[in-house]
Amino acid sequence: DAGVTQSPTHLIKTRGQQVTLRCSPKSGHDTVSWYQQALGQGPQFIFQYYEEEERQRGNFPDRFSGHQFPNYSSELNVNALLLGDSALYLCASSLRQGTYNSPLHFGNGTRLTVT
Amino acid sequence: AQTVTQSQPEMSVQEAETVTLSCTYDTSENNYYLFWYKQPPSRQMILVIRQEAYKQQNATENRFSVNFQKAAKSFSLKISDSQLGDTAMYFCAFARDDKIIFGKGTRLHILP
Repeated sequence: DAGVTQSPTHLIKTRGQQVTLRCSPKSGHDTVSWYQQALGQGPQFIFQYYEEEERQRGNFPDRFSGHQFPNYSSELNVNALLLGDSALYLCASSLRQGTYNSPLHFGNGTRLTVT
Repeated sequence: AQTVTQSQPEMSVQEAETVTLSCTYDTSENNYYLFWYKQPPSRQMILVIRQEAYKQQNATENRFSVNFQKAAKSFSLKISDSQLGDTAMYFCAFARDDKIIFGKGTRLHILP
């Protein structure tokens, strides 16, 4: 049973560029959440997707956008990259019926470096 | 707004000892969930233990147990008989309305 998979593992981009990160949820899960984890910090909630719509959003600018596909996989897009966007981006999947009855399963993350 | 505070940035204990990680949180809500997650060097966040706020009984999972003090808004994690594989970052987290708020973490070193 495959868990949450994220690609790529590492990525280096230049300021001003755009980046797309990908996530495939754990088999059977229908909800995907994205988190940003800066170095030495805890993960911060970016947004959550269910039924191909953004359902919840954290305190992140519109430069951060996402998408969920019919197969439940998801993309995170970041436009006009800033140095401060350098972080580990974590994807987590769960069942919509209850994030707490169905705990989050995390991927190994994508390490994004903006130079 | 909810906040989660972990006051111990780093801790070290000898293998087989017991260690307690502290966590406090701030919320005006009455129903919520609390979690401890472990993040080893592999980077994957792994759920260690969870607690529903409406349950008075402290959660336990094998060597891991919590001391949940709702009135004090405290949620500490006790690891008994610590093992080398317990070395990791540990994050306390608060959850409500499908949002999970994490603390800054405690780096735990288990020494041989």
